Amino acid sequence: EIVLTQSPATLSLSPGERATLSCRASQSVSSSLAWYQQKPGQSPRLLIYDTSNRATGIPARFSASGSGTDFTLTISSLEPEDFAVYYCQLQSIWPPVFTFGPGTKVDIK
Amino acid sequence: EVQLVESGGGLVQPGGSLRLSCAASRFTFSSYSMTWVRQAPGKGLEWVSYISSSGRTIYYADSVKGRFTISRDNANNSLYLLMSSLRDDDTAMYYCATVGEIGYWGQGALVTVSS
Repeated sequence: EIVLTQSPATLSLSPGERATLSCRASQSVSSSLAWYQQKPGQSPRLLIYDTSNRATGIPARFSASGSGTDFTLTISSLEPEDFAVYYCQLQSIWPPVFTFGPGTKVDIK
Repeated sequence: EVQLVESGGGLVQPGGSLRLSCAASRFTFSSYSMTWVRQAPGKGLEWVSYISSSGRTIYYADSVKGRFTISRDNANNSLYLLMSSLRDDDTAMYYCATVGEIGYWGQGALVTVSS
């Protein structure tokens, strides 16, 4: 079973700063990775699918990359609405499992 | 606007059963694999179950295997989750969500397991 870890657990930054969030898999992943944003009281919102592709309507300040065991979500310049919790998710074709990481909270410094 | 609307949540005693429904509209439901994801109060997201677009392939997280049953009715654009032998730690908001790049999620249905 592949386990995802995210770091840091909390990232305290100011608007306009760059945010770099890490997601690490316990073993090399050949499947795709997704990233979600969740704000309090809301459902998660898909940001990135297939490791590096922005979902429909997601601003260009969100980018992602990675391979093997190490994946990164970058927010180039934080907007006030970007302060939220971010989850990575493994999306395996077979077996079809969709493991989530524990999340990184991006809060206002 | 695309909608996924969960229903059927509520308070149930330990050992009891509950069936969640997810009604889909304004997209081609039958073309998409679906998942159920849950979130315990104040905790992170946990994937629960997967069903392929045809319904022929089904998979569960170990934490619910043997207790939960996922199904779908493509003719009625609906997804279901039958939950049995419920435990306190099944208390959570349950979301239905599409698989893949479209990333549609419902607003969630709250399930509380308590005596």
